[in-house]
Amino acid sequence: NAGVMQNPRHLVRRRGQEARLRCSPMKGHSHVYWYRQLPEEGLKFMVYLQKENIIDESGMPKERFSAEFPKEGPSILRIQQVVRGDSAAYFCASSPSDSVNEQFFGPGTRLTVL
Amino acid sequence: AQRVTQPEKLLSVFKGAPVELKCNYSYSGSPELFWYVQYSRQRLQLLLRHISRESIKGFTADLNKGETSFHLKKPFAQEEDSAMYYCALSGTGGYQKVTFGTGTKLQVIP
Repeated sequence: NAGVMQNPRHLVRRRGQEARLRCSPMKGHSHVYWYRQLPEEGLKFMVYLQKENIIDESGMPKERFSAEFPKEGPSILRIQQVVRGDSAAYFCASSPSDSVNEQFFGPGTRLTVL
Repeated sequence: AQRVTQPEKLLSVFKGAPVELKCNYSYSGSPELFWYVQYSRQRLQLLLRHISRESIKGFTADLNKGETSFHLKKPFAQEEDSAMYYCALSGTGGYQKVTFGTGTKLQVIP
């Protein structure tokens, strides 16, 4: 089992561009979580998804951010019209259906907005 | 609202000395507490959870509901324990959002 995969590992965007971050959960996991880690801060919950459903998006900024977890393929975190304040490490985690509180993390994507 | 507080950003101890990483929480219901660890250049991974009552790599943590604490302890620090440690909390029963603390960097001095 390869574990949770995230790509790209590093992403550089200019202000106003779009950023797409991908997360492939562990095999057999149908629950995906996205977190953001700003410099000098802890992990902040963003969104929790199951296949084709957003279950909890209480941590998502109201504008420019969206997430999906389609029936086929990875989960995508999309940030439109990026600003410098979006620069952060974005972590994805997954969990198996029968133990939703234990999460397995990916290596993260470090987004830098110039 | 649920909140996790790790008051120390950095904790430096000498090899062989005892370690205590502090974690306090705020939660109105019955919490489930975790410690996650991130070694240099590696991904975040679960170290232990209070319901399993395990000792992992010599670390233990006891949930103290009276003091709302879940401090992580090890009697004798080793150099390989140097890492970032995150305390986390969720509720129990079905889906519950996990809230993480800001993390404590443990530095074990040889």
